[in-house]
Amino acid sequence: SQKIEQNSEALNIQEGKTATLTCNYTNYSPAYLQWYRQDPGRGPVFLLLIRENEKEKRKERLKVTFDTTLKQSLFHITASQPADSATYLCGQNTGNQFYFGTGTSLTVIP
Amino acid sequence: DARVTQTPRHKVTEMGQEVTMRCQPILGHNTVFWYRQTMMQGLELLAYFRNRAPLDDSGMPKDRFSAEMPDATLATLKIQPSEPRDSAVYFCASVGFPYNEQFFGPGTRLTVL
Repeated sequence: SQKIEQNSEALNIQEGKTATLTCNYTNYSPAYLQWYRQDPGRGPVFLLLIRENEKEKRKERLKVTFDTTLKQSLFHITASQPADSATYLCGQNTGNQFYFGTGTSLTVIP
Repeated sequence: DARVTQTPRHKVTEMGQEVTMRCQPILGHNTVFWYRQTMMQGLELLAYFRNRAPLDDSGMPKDRFSAEMPDATLATLKIQPSEPRDSAVYFCASVGFPYNEQFFGPGTRLTVL
């Protein structure tokens, strides 16, 4: 079955730097990938969606890429701020199924 | 502003008891999902509905879990009987056609003793 892998190790970066999070998937190429932010004790919040025919998508300080050859999506936060500290989830839709990774915890150090 | 609501927010129960979780999707959204989140497994899809019809429930243990959408404003997830391994946070999410963005509720944290 389809699997989504995110780096389970927490990512700590200095304020102002660019954070890069990775999402790898196995088997089938999804029609689109989504990225969500989750804060402790809350539900995930949608950030960006990228379709398989799109190489890159941007929204303010966020950028997502989608490489169907590598079966990978990268999520970048530029000029990171302490308020960006959260867990980031990658999700995809394949057929009738929706899969999420376990998330990567990001801490931005002031 | 429009939000997905879930009740209860927290539930502690004993093994063998029935648990019912409720979700009110955003008005006008036609697709509703139920997910379970644990540290080990992450966010797992249990079931989802489109226009109140069940589309997929393959992620749900059918012997003890059931999901229904009695009307467009209410989705329910029931566990009977509950077991300690069911302890998790259960999320409901809704999507409005023709978009794909999922709006999640705040979750129900279930603890089965």
